[in-house]
Amino acid sequence: KNEVEQSPQNLTAQEGEFITINCSYSVGISALHWLQQHPGGGIVSLFMLSSGKKKHGRLIATINIQEKHSSLHITASHPRDSAVYICAVRVPPGNQFYFGTGTSLTVIP
Amino acid sequence: KAGVTQTPRYLIKTRGQQVTLSCSPISGHRSVSWYQQTPGQGLQFLFEYFSETQRNKGNFPGRFSGRQFSNSRSEMNVSTLELGDSALYLCASSFYSTRGEQYFGPGTRLTVT
Repeated sequence: KNEVEQSPQNLTAQEGEFITINCSYSVGISALHWLQQHPGGGIVSLFMLSSGKKKHGRLIATINIQEKHSSLHITASHPRDSAVYICAVRVPPGNQFYFGTGTSLTVIP
Repeated sequence: KAGVTQTPRYLIKTRGQQVTLSCSPISGHRSVSWYQQTPGQGLQFLFEYFSETQRNKGNFPGRFSGRQFSNSRSEMNVSTLELGDSALYLCASSFYSTRGEQYFGPGTRLTVT
């Protein structure tokens, strides 16, 4: 059983569409991270959340601690957003990371 | 500031050999974490070091080990390589131990034949 579940696994969108990626977790957490991985392997940390909502440019991340759920939204999607998006949670007391399996996003021009 | 660097970027080894991978964190960061990424298992946490001490260890066999030096640079070692150890090995650094933003390196692609 995976502590972190993401949906959908794969997502294809037209440029300009609003995109939502979901992450559910089954354990108590100290923080949730959204990561972006482009082909070639490099990973960039997009957000770190412990409550509420954060926005950076066209990206918005929300978390509901009671429901153990987080969403990553991309507004006005662009082909350069094509990447794998990974949800990761830090689980106390050791605060080590557990990762979702990722959502592969392709944005078509 | 320079980012996280990992060396080598690519490596080919044969079964039974051992390998050492290196990670240099962002200047001022004292925490270094290591991760393994495979197509089948995805990203998995290996271990985390802070100020030369291992703070956390994932569920990997004892063949996987690491250390951190006084300048925060870290190495991980895999002994008696198996085919299943073929993976992308990523390290990440952060200012705080076990919390805070993680900054990832480009990874080392290890192929075991």
